[in-house]
Amino acid sequence: DGGITQSPKYLFRKEGQNVTLSCEQNLNHDAMYWYRQDPGQGLRLIYYSQIVNDFQKGDIAEGYSVSREKKESFPLTVTSAQKNPTAFYLCASRPGSLVAAFFGQGTRLTVV
Amino acid sequence: KQEVTQIPAALSVPEGENLVLNCSFTDSAIYNLQWFRQDPGKGLTSLLLIQSSQREQTSGRLNASLDKSSGRSTLYIAASQPGDSATYLCAVCENSNYQLIWGAGTKLIIKP
Repeated sequence: DGGITQSPKYLFRKEGQNVTLSCEQNLNHDAMYWYRQDPGQGLRLIYYSQIVNDFQKGDIAEGYSVSREKKESFPLTVTSAQKNPTAFYLCASRPGSLVAAFFGQGTRLTVV
Repeated sequence: KQEVTQIPAALSVPEGENLVLNCSFTDSAIYNLQWFRQDPGKGLTSLLLIQSSQREQTSGRLNASLDKSSGRSTLYIAASQPGDSATYLCAVCENSNYQLIWGAGTKLIIKP
């Protein structure tokens, strides 16, 4: 089955710790995105990548980092510099701007 | 800067009613508009994608319309069912870098 897989589903981070969220897709899509969702707010773009080895900052990139070494994979690292990381994180992909975006099932990150 | 607004933030209707969800955007220069459904704690499922040249799209009991000149889109749900209960989000793609600009969503509850 083609789709986007995010792991883990739940993640707990201690203060000062870096954590990495996984996003893998087997849809052969060029573009991949990371969004953050907070209660009562629209999705906010963290980073996006249109091709391998290239990525761009979104609206709230501070405290986050990404890599795009393979077309299928777009991991997101939440660094200790992100002061309020507790949120629901969604990964998406799409083959082009005129086609619908596909989403993973999300990772809920909680700081403990 | 493009802004997307969804009103109301929440809506509760009895089962069987037809209903309309609204999405407005401030800049009419868009590539397309997409409606998504999100169940609690889950990722997003694409419902309908309307290209800028189209007026409407239909899928089953769902019909989405687009009026670029007025900056509005509506999602019409016919004969609502309890299984339609979810949060509905709209997003516009306004340029060729694939980015989506999101509304905050309408939380829909269908009462049996």
